[in-house]
Amino acid sequence: EDQVTQSPEALRLQEGESSSLNCSYTVSGLRGLFWYRQDPGKGPEFLFTLYSAGEEKEKERLKATLTKKESFLHITAPKPEDSATYLCAVRAYNTDKLIFGTGTRLQVFP
Amino acid sequence: SAVISQKPSRDICQRGTSLTIQCQVDSQVTMMFWYRQQPGQSLTLIATANQGSEATYESGFVIDKFPISRPNLTFSTLTVSNMSPEDSSIYLCSVLRGRAETQYFGPGTRLLVL
Repeated sequence: EDQVTQSPEALRLQEGESSSLNCSYTVSGLRGLFWYRQDPGKGPEFLFTLYSAGEEKEKERLKATLTKKESFLHITAPKPEDSATYLCAVRAYNTDKLIFGTGTRLQVFP
Repeated sequence: SAVISQKPSRDICQRGTSLTIQCQVDSQVTMMFWYRQQPGQSLTLIATANQGSEATYESGFVIDKFPISRPNLTFSTLTVSNMSPEDSSIYLCSVLRGRAETQYFGPGTRLLVL
């Protein structure tokens, strides 16, 4: 069964304190791994898509990496405005639907 | 990206009633999805709605409870029928767009059932 597990559930960082969020997955043929940011009361906002092991994508203070079993979202020198829930999802080859993890709730304090 | 709007943005409803949620997209898309996000939980797919065919429902969701319409390539509705407090959730519309097949999400409809 396709599955996504994210850790930690919650993360509190001081402004400027870099860290990483983990997304472990099992899927019957990875078609894509997706990272989203979700602010309270809003829909998920697309961040990155990764397709194959070794691939990396960057956007401002965020960098996503992918291996055959997991993905990391690295946050460098975070700011309070980076506070949000970060969701990871996978899509298998035989389907169009996304399987979501439960997310990591990030809080960055000044 | 995709510009997706949903109506209503939020509602408070009495148990036993029904609510229809509308999803409008800024350009034509083949596939539209409806998700539910219960308080403190992640997203769960309710159904996939393709224009011109019946919606495909995920395990645990049935058409009588969540009827879906897809009259054209830019619009869909989800009805939550005979509501109970357990239906209190955020309901999200999503579309597949672009060669990268990225899924984009609407702002959501926050539903509270009393």
